Amino acid sequence: DQQVKQNSPSLSVQEGRISILNCDYTNSMFDYFLWYKKYPAEGPTFLISISSIKDKNEDGRFTVFLNKSAKHLSLHIVPSQPGDSAVYFCAAWWAFVGSSASKIIFGSGTRLSIRP
Amino acid sequence: DGGITQSPKYLFRKEGQNVTLSCEQNLNHDAMYWYRQDPGQGLRLIYYSQIVNDFQKGDIAEGYSVSREKKESFPLTVTSAQKNPTAFYLCASSIGNTGELFFGEGSRLTVL
Repeated sequence: DQQVKQNSPSLSVQEGRISILNCDYTNSMFDYFLWYKKYPAEGPTFLISISSIKDKNEDGRFTVFLNKSAKHLSLHIVPSQPGDSAVYFCAAWWAFVGSSASKIIFGSGTRLSIRP
Repeated sequence: DGGITQSPKYLFRKEGQNVTLSCEQNLNHDAMYWYRQDPGQGLRLIYYSQIVNDFQKGDIAEGYSVSREKKESFPLTVTSAQKNPTAFYLCASSIGNTGELFFGEGSRLTVL
């Protein structure tokens, strides 16, 4: 049962335009949602996160929106640049109640290609 | 420089052999993780450790083993019991309170 889903395996956007990557989740217990960026043959790097109590978080060209009623989050990149071409993973993190333990799960990723 | 070091970057193994992937971090993080990535798939959790001398199975632990004798080190052994071990393996660490993980460069294991 996939709790974090990225339904678009790939996305192509023209340089300078807005890139919108989407992610859906099924569980309301998540505390944070995160986006990671991954280049081929490298480890993912953290990009941006949002607390489950917020609706929006912005960091430079990157903005993440959280719609709790729809259980949906999106990552907006504007303007898109060639270096943004990578695989983007959506992730959800939660802490176990009454414990110091926590867990994070990842979506299957969306490959973003920025074309000139 | 603080970070996570995985070795080797590339590894070839014959069927029936065990192999150990190294993961070392100098970030002073308590939590460490091993993930596996297959083409077209997301990151699947193999094992994780929240503290020294303690570790938990992830979603696909069968055929793998780990140890956490030191805070800095979390080696992963891929045993001959793992049916399909060819994959890209990623080690990560975290402070543990927000889900922000720091990943190593990865190790690509190919079984011949």
